[in-house]
Amino acid sequence: DGGITQSPKYLFRKEGQNVTLSCEQNLNHDAMYWYRQDPGQGLRLIYYSQIVNDFQKGDIAEGYSVSREKKESFPLTVTSAQKNPTAFYLCASSSGSYSYEQYFGPGTRLTVT
Amino acid sequence: AQTVTQSQPEMSVQEAETVTLSCTYDTSESDYYLFWYKQPPSRQMILVIRQEAYKQQNATENRFSVNFQKAAKSFSLKISDSQLGDAAMYFCAYRSEGYGQNFVFGPGTRLSVLP
Repeated sequence: DGGITQSPKYLFRKEGQNVTLSCEQNLNHDAMYWYRQDPGQGLRLIYYSQIVNDFQKGDIAEGYSVSREKKESFPLTVTSAQKNPTAFYLCASSSGSYSYEQYFGPGTRLTVT
Repeated sequence: AQTVTQSQPEMSVQEAETVTLSCTYDTSESDYYLFWYKQPPSRQMILVIRQEAYKQQNATENRFSVNFQKAAKSFSLKISDSQLGDAAMYFCAYRSEGYGQNFVFGPGTRLSVLP
């Protein structure tokens, strides 16, 4: 059963700690994306990757980092430099060519106190 | 840069009635794709419908249809026979043609369905 998994669903951290959010896909998609969603708002692009070992900053990359060592995986690290990290984080993937729509994971709700 | 606008932050519809959600976008490109995504309370983003700009025919998926007006840069979503399960946030999204293009999402419209 193909899809995108994000874990955990809820994550709690103390201020000043780095935290890594997991995103795995078995859709054989080339492109993967991380979005941030704040209450009542739309999606803002954090980072994206079109191919393994390559990624680019989105609109709000400050305080975040990513890696893309495997096609299936695109973890997001929220660093202590991110001033307001509490948010809902969505991972998505896309084949990048024939079928342009993005497929989304279930999301991770991060709360930093 | 492309922008997507959804001018209705909230809408409501009576069960079994029809509702139309508005979306406008700004682009200088001629080839692109438009999408409507639904985000129910579970927060899982679900693709509702897609439209290729080169197609004149409006896309339809069961109770969901679009009114695509390319010259006016308008892309509205019509939901017919509304059901309680249609209650969600709806996001309009734009994607340029070509490999490696990113999505631009609108701010969303919250739809309530009244029994």
